[in-house]
Amino acid sequence: AQSVSQHNHHVILSEAASLELGCNYSYGGTVNLFWYVQYPGQHLQLLLKYFSGDPLVKGIKGFEAEFIKSKFSFNLRKPSVQWSDTAEYFCAVTSDNAGNMLTFGGGTRLMVKP
Amino acid sequence: DTGVSQNPRHKITKRGQNVTFRCDPISEHNRLYWYRQTLGQGPEFLTYFQNEAQLEKSRLLSDRFSAERPKGSFSTLEIQRTEQGDSAMYLCASSLLGTGSRYTFGSGTRLTVV
Repeated sequence: AQSVSQHNHHVILSEAASLELGCNYSYGGTVNLFWYVQYPGQHLQLLLKYFSGDPLVKGIKGFEAEFIKSKFSFNLRKPSVQWSDTAEYFCAVTSDNAGNMLTFGGGTRLMVKP
Repeated sequence: DTGVSQNPRHKITKRGQNVTFRCDPISEHNRLYWYRQTLGQGPEFLTYFQNEAQLEKSRLLSDRFSAERPKGSFSTLEIQRTEQGDSAMYLCASSLLGTGSRYTFGSGTRLTVV
């Protein structure tokens, strides 16, 4: 069965700091990888996704993520965070033997101090 | 198109009562998913439909839970004899077969069992 782990449960940064959130998955087959964001009181929104091709994926709002197959990782990065990035971030995976069912990590709560 | 709509937004119920939630997906989406999210955790898959057929159910979906999508449009999730452990956010998402895992999530129904 596939699983996703996010190493940081809570991250606090000051504005303009750089961000990297870790995500590792366990599954040896073909995977699709996602990062979702949930702003306070809002629904889950897709930040970016990786299906195939260039392992460096750029998403909305200046976020990017790099798929490193050998490390089973898909870390999320942003060079300079803003107060408005305060939210909870979820890494998720689907695999070729799990249909389109998303398996989510436990989430990382990011707080950006103005 | 207003996205995925879930009703009610909040539900408080006494232990032992039955509750029903509704999800209206994006109209052309033929796949519909239910997830449950508890505090501090990522969403967990419960079940999904393709059109009106329920194709998969998680082990999390006990006998007290039932989901339907009678005409392949909206879906209902019913919980019978609610328990305090059922308190969670229940999320609905929809997607279009053949577009990969491009989900659109609703805002969820927050259930509190007292």
